Amino acid sequence: GAVVSQHPSRVICKSGTSVKIECRSLDFQATTMFWYRQFPKQSLMLMATSNEGSKATYEQGVEKDKFLINHASLTLSTLTVTSAHPEDSSFYICSAREGVNEQFFGPGTRLTVL
Amino acid sequence: GNSVTQMEGPVTLSEEAFLTINCTYTATGYPSLFWYVQYPGEGLQLLLKATKADDKGSNKGFEATYRKETTSFHLEKGSVQVSDSAVYFCALRGPDQKLVFGQGTRLTINP
Repeated sequence: GAVVSQHPSRVICKSGTSVKIECRSLDFQATTMFWYRQFPKQSLMLMATSNEGSKATYEQGVEKDKFLINHASLTLSTLTVTSAHPEDSSFYICSAREGVNEQFFGPGTRLTVL
Repeated sequence: GNSVTQMEGPVTLSEEAFLTINCTYTATGYPSLFWYVQYPGEGLQLLLKATKADDKGSNKGFEATYRKETTSFHLEKGSVQVSDSAVYFCALRGPDQKLVFGQGTRLTINP
């Protein structure tokens, strides 16, 4: 199947700093990308959906100024956690889809905010 | 809204045992149903899917049947292997094209 990569796989940062996570589709054009958040032993919760060249659509309860999403090209989306705090520590997973085809997932990024 | 409830884990079995992981859903309309698998250090991979009632999805010896009357999509395999150790997620996708996931079930198969 198609490959979606994420970078970094792990990041530790100090409270108040911003962290950027990259998500790339390696062998297909990701017309739609999704960002999920997963807490320990819990489900994946959709944070936002973005279409290439458009603003992201955020799920209810997700702060758009806190979690900045940029989907500037058909192979790259970034999630920036601004002014991170310990409660933002989590596992962030991106996913990408070309048209209405199958959705492919990245391996995830574990964020720890001290 | 749409939701998925799956069997709590962790589940530990011996090799060649029979596996069932229960999954039930709540949804408006007629969702598509999926099982995803996540191996250690990797992203979620689609294992199988079913798009309408009574469809059976199958892959790698795993099966699941879309049961509308019981709103269920239980995952089964007749004889598990050590390589099946992973986390399994049941999910649905409604008309809004958004995936809704269960909480995941960690499966460990001992030799």
